[in-house]
Parts: sequence; C-alpha cells; structure tokens
Amino acid sequence: AQSVTQPDIHITVSEGASLELRCNYSYGATPYLFWYVQSPGQGLQLLLKYFSGDTLVQGIKGFEAEFKRSQSSFNLRKPSVHWSDAAEYFCAVGALGNTGKLIFGQGTTLQVKP
Amino acid sequence: DGGITQSPKYLFRKEGQNVTLSCEQNLNHDAMYWYRQDPGQGLRLIYYSQIVNDFQKGDIAEGYSVSREKKESFPLTVTSAQKNPTAFYLCASSSPKRADTQYFGPGTRLTVL
Repeated sequence: AQSVTQPDIHITVSEGASLELRCNYSYGATPYLFWYVQSPGQGLQLLLKYFSGDTLVQGIKGFEAEFKRSQSSFNLRKPSVHWSDAAEYFCAVGALGNTGKLIFGQGTTLQVKP
Repeated sequence: DGGITQSPKYLFRKEGQNVTLSCEQNLNHDAMYWYRQDPGQGLRLIYYSQIVNDFQKGDIAEGYSVSREKKESFPLTVTSAQKNPTAFYLCASSSPKRADTQYFGPGTRLTVL
C-alpha cells in the first residue's frame, strides 16, 4: 500500500540554522512527490513538487528537496531558517491512477528559536 | 484572483444537527476534495469528485455527504451520524491527474457543542 512517513513530529531549530525535514514514502512506481506548508489555522500552500528529471528540486521561500530513489526519501531542506518559517510541513505522494488524490504524511511541526 | 473559498471560517453545531460546509473554486478545476485534519493525524480524505455529478468516498466518508451539481462548488454536509465531527476541514481542487498540484482553501473549523 502507498504510504508516507514523516518520522519527526516536532522539530526546533534556531533562527539562521539549517533545516532538514525527513519524508519517506512507500510506492510501487515512480512517485510524484509534494511538500506543503501550513500556518496555524490556514490552508496548505505548495512549497515544491517532484515528478521526474533533476532529483534536486527548488521551491518557494528558499526551500529545496532531494529525491533519493534508493532510500525512498524526499527530504526538505533550507540553508538558513527564518522565524517566519515556523509552521507545519506535510509531505505527500500522488496516488496511483488519474484521480489527483494525494496521500499525506502526519506532518512535522517546526518551531524556530530566536 | 483565482482561488478557493471556504465558509464559514468557524462553525458551531449542537449534537444531533446536520451542518453544511461551503467550498467554491474559480480555478476551472475538474477535481475537488474534502479533507479532515485532526492534531497529529495529518490530512485524511473524506470525499472527492473528479467531475460534475460524480463523487467517490475517501478513507473516512462515514457520517459525511457531498454533492457536485456545479463545477465550481463542492459542499460537504456533516451529518448527525458522524461520531466525532469536531475538526478542521479543508477543501482542495486540482485537475484529476497524478502530476497536478492541489490548491487548498483556508479551511473551516467545526466545533460540536
């Protein structure tokens, strides 16, 4: 069965430090992978997505993610975190078939220390 | 501006009452989705619709109902059969393709009193 795992429920980093949020997926074919961000009480905003080609994907707000097929991972990174990055982050994989459905991970809450 | 609107932002319901959450999009998307979000559980799919007058159950459809009479609208009714309806509800839309991005509305927080 398709699934997405975000091993870290909560992460705290200092402002200016680097960030890596982990995402592992289980999928039987070439995955379509997404990272979304959610501010408290708001909807989700797409940060970046991977379909094919270059395994290092650039997104908005200075985020990037790297697809590693051998590790079934799609980790999100940012070299220097800003206080405004504090939010919840969701990794998702596109479900098989042309439904547009997404399968989401549990989410990782990022706290940024001043 | 194109986007998805959900109303109301906050909704209170007494036990035993049905309540309908609104979702409207002007992105010309064929597919629309309803998710439920609870703390620590990510997003769970309630219903989705790939085209007007057609919809399918998601992972947690029990106690919910939907309609899709217009391309722009996908209202969700939370019925009295839903045992634990207090949650944050998110609507999204996309084209019905694996590769396409889902765009989300701002959400409705439903509280049952």
